[in-house]
Amino acid sequence: NAGVTQTPKFRILKIGQSMTLQCAQDMNHNYMYWYRQDPGMGLKLIYYSVGAGITDKGEVPNGYNVSRSTTEDFPLRLELAAPSQTSVYFCASSLGQGLEAFFGQGTRLTVV
Amino acid sequence: KNEVEQSPQNLTAQEGEFITINCSYSVGISALHWLQQHPGGGIVSLFMLSSGKKKHGRLIATINIQEKHSSLHITASHPRDSAVYICAAPLDFGNEKLTFGTGTRLTIIP
Repeated sequence: NAGVTQTPKFRILKIGQSMTLQCAQDMNHNYMYWYRQDPGMGLKLIYYSVGAGITDKGEVPNGYNVSRSTTEDFPLRLELAAPSQTSVYFCASSLGQGLEAFFGQGTRLTVV
Repeated sequence: KNEVEQSPQNLTAQEGEFITINCSYSVGISALHWLQQHPGGGIVSLFMLSSGKKKHGRLIATINIQEKHSSLHITASHPRDSAVYICAAPLDFGNEKLTFGTGTRLTIIP
C-alpha cells in the first residue's frame, strides 16, 4: 500500500493563478481531510469528506474548493491564489471518525 | 486562542535523557492523538488513547481524563527522536474533527 499520496511536493504560484493539489489513498478509507499548516500554528482543517460525493467545510475553507468523486481521490482546488494561501498543505485519511489518521507528505505552496 | 495547549514549545536535551512533553485541552474528549512530524515534514500518528497509558518501544503516552491532560514520554532519547511532536483532540461535542496543538520541537544532541 502506498498510503496517502500527495502531489506536487512543492509549487510556486503567482497571485491570481489557480491550481489543484492532488491527494489519493489506497486504504479504502471513507474519511479524508485537507489541512494547512502555518508557522507557529496548529494544523487547521480546510475541508473534509466522509465518503464519495460528500464534502463539508472545515475551519478555514475560504479560497478553496474540493470534490470527492471517488473513495480514493480528494483534490483541493485553489481558484485565485493569494499570498495568504502560502502554507504547507497536508491531506489525511482515516477509516472512520475519530480513528487513526494517515497523512500525506505535504505540499509546500508559495504564492508570490 | 488554541484550546489544545502544548508545553514546552521547544525542548533541547542530551542523548539518553528522559523526555516529557505535555498537552492540555479544554473540554472532555473521546480520545487524544499524538503525532510526530519529521524534519522533512511528513506526519505520522504515534498514539491514539482514551484512558490510561500506551507504550510503543521507547515512547509512552499517558492521559488523565479528569485533569484533561496528556503526556508523551521518550525514554533513552536518541538524536533520531528529533522532531516536532503534536497532540490533537476532538473538541466539538459530537464531532470528531481534530483541534491540533502548535507542537513541541524536540532536539536531541549527541
